[in-house]
Amino acid sequence: DIQLTQSPSFLSASVGDRVTVTCRASQGISNALAWYQQKPGKAPRLLIYVASTLQSGVPSRFSGSGSGTEFTLTISNLQPEDFATYYCQQLNLYPLTFGGGTKVEI
Amino acid sequence: QVTLRESGPALVKPTQTLTLTCTFSGFSLNTTGMYLNWVRQPPGKALEWLALIDWHDDEYYSTSLKARLSISKDTSKDRVVLKMTNMDPLDTATYFCARMANDGNGDYLDHWGQEILVTVSS
Repeated sequence: DIQLTQSPSFLSASVGDRVTVTCRASQGISNALAWYQQKPGKAPRLLIYVASTLQSGVPSRFSGSGSGTEFTLTISNLQPEDFATYYCQQLNLYPLTFGGGTKVEI
Repeated sequence: QVTLRESGPALVKPTQTLTLTCTFSGFSLNTTGMYLNWVRQPPGKALEWLALIDWHDDEYYSTSLKARLSISKDTSKDRVVLKMTNMDPLDTATYFCARMANDGNGDYLDHWGQEILVTVSS
């Protein structure tokens, strides 16, 4: 199975900050990576797919990059509603797998 | 408008079989490139992918849970059923179903159900 390692696990930031979350795959997955945002008690929300494509309706302060084994999610100008947990997911090979999550806290 | 809704028991006893149903609307699992996933999340922990069934009736499972899972679809009723045998308290989690689609560039889980909390306890 492909393992996804996210770092950091926790991130403290302030409104207006630029934050970066990294997701490393245990083997190359091309660009088959998605990022999700999850708030407490809610289902995950798709932010980015194929590593860098912004899902419709997602603010442009979210961006993704990377290919192969290393990927990043960047949130520029962090807003109050962005404090949440973020997950990466690889969709290159079955079984699909998720990273361990990154909690962005105030 | 795409919607998904999970249903099933909130409480199961250890060793019992869990049966969850995902009822969806706004798309068809008979359409090429459509998939239905199950994902779970133990309290306070990360998301865990469980299983998927696609438009072609192909099934895929988590390696660690494969022996206990089965997924099936009833396209005439727009439903997908997940069964998990030999339930254990460690299987206590929120369970989600989610649609996976492909826009020609890649796959993504773009619509999720509301979730169902399943507790395993005697």
